[in-house]
Amino acid sequence: GAVVSQHPSWVICKSGTSVKIECRSLDFQATTMFWYRQFPKQSLMLMATSNEGSKATYEQGVEKDKFLINHASLTLSTLTVTSAHPEDSSFYICSARLRGGEQPQHFGDGTRLSIL
Amino acid sequence: DAKTTQPPSMDCAEGRAANLPCNHSTISGNEYVYWYRQIHSQGPQYIIHGLKNNETNEMASLIITEDRKSSTLILPHATLRDTAVYYCIVRVVYGGSQGNLIFGKGTKLSVKP
Repeated sequence: GAVVSQHPSWVICKSGTSVKIECRSLDFQATTMFWYRQFPKQSLMLMATSNEGSKATYEQGVEKDKFLINHASLTLSTLTVTSAHPEDSSFYICSARLRGGEQPQHFGDGTRLSIL
Repeated sequence: DAKTTQPPSMDCAEGRAANLPCNHSTISGNEYVYWYRQIHSQGPQYIIHGLKNNETNEMASLIITEDRKSSTLILPHATLRDTAVYYCIVRVVYGGSQGNLIFGKGTKLSVKP
């Protein structure tokens, strides 16, 4: 149980385009979803936290107008990288948490984004 | 959320137990200890978590010291597929306000044949 699916797993696109990444909790309802970014040989960095039906909370230094997050249902959150540039190339990973205080977060397999 | 300290790397022989230490000396009473691992180019995988009692599941055992200032993750019979970066994270859990998982650098475990 507790499967998180992320799509696409890999995308290459031209500079200036926008890219949408989907994150779905397949077998549970996730009141809270999280978006992380990971650069090569570095650890995961939390970008934002999203609660179903409300605006996302962004970490310091993360541009909310560039990284649009929508959490429209208890099983789906999307991250849109707008007007992507080469410096946005990274490994983006989502996670979701079941209801309940101590419940662990479960992670998707990540999306490798390459901007040319 | 309290900070954790882990050794940057460890080696383990295949078939042996892997014991991964974590120091969280500033942990507070409402913080749980979580362990995740990340195999190259994949998302982190949840392993186990606990508050103060030792925990065991099909993947691993978690031993938390009585003062809760440190813990050890035990993989009883390591295999080559257990080679990964292991993260020990403490997270605030209380009422309706919860902390987030903040990843440090973790321990790179290399299981060798």
